[in-house]
Amino acid sequence: AQKVTQAQTEISVVEKEDVTLDCVYETRDTTYYLFWYKQPPSGELVFLIRRNSFDEQNEISGRYSWNFQKSTSSFNFTITASQVVDSAVYFCAFFSYNFNKFYFGSGTKLNVKP
Amino acid sequence: EAQVTQNPRYLITVTGKKLTVTCSQNMNHEYMSWYRQDPGLGLRQIYYSMNVEVTDKGDVPEGYKVSRKEKRNFPLILESPSPNQTSLYFCASSSTPYGYTFGSGTRLTVV
Repeated sequence: AQKVTQAQTEISVVEKEDVTLDCVYETRDTTYYLFWYKQPPSGELVFLIRRNSFDEQNEISGRYSWNFQKSTSSFNFTITASQVVDSAVYFCAFFSYNFNKFYFGSGTKLNVKP
Repeated sequence: EAQVTQNPRYLITVTGKKLTVTCSQNMNHEYMSWYRQDPGLGLRQIYYSMNVEVTDKGDVPEGYKVSRKEKRNFPLILESPSPNQTSLYFCASSSTPYGYTFGSGTRLTVV
């Protein structure tokens, strides 16, 4: 069965703290894509990153970094020096080539307090 | 500007009154999809389309209809809305089966 688990329902941090959002997926697929989306209070979904299953290199983009570990089926997202504008719901998602569909996690709400 | 446009952004309606949520994309994408977002459940796929006149059910298609008569448009139709269809709806499009661009969302309330 394909599944994405975001065990952290809600996280609160103080501005400038680092925070890691966890994402664990289940699949027997060998080819797949992993995604992170941000949903700010305004409600739209903002694409953050896409990684394919053959590329386990970690990625850094400004204050954002992603750690993909196939051995543990995890694709964690770290925000360094968090800011109030990072407050949002973050969704991890998995695309299955075998089933040709997306599976979304239930989301993690991040509250960054000044 | 490349975008997926949904209308309306907000809609309150009564049970049983047919409604259509429109979705249009200007990127000539083949793939389009509808999702609903509910608290604690993430996004769940309602229907998707791989091209004109090609549509298929997602995870939660009951109570919804779609059509893809033109490449750019993919409307979501609720023939007889019920309160359990109160949700945040997203349309999305892509040139590949993955990597969707999402619209801004439609918040639907059925009373």
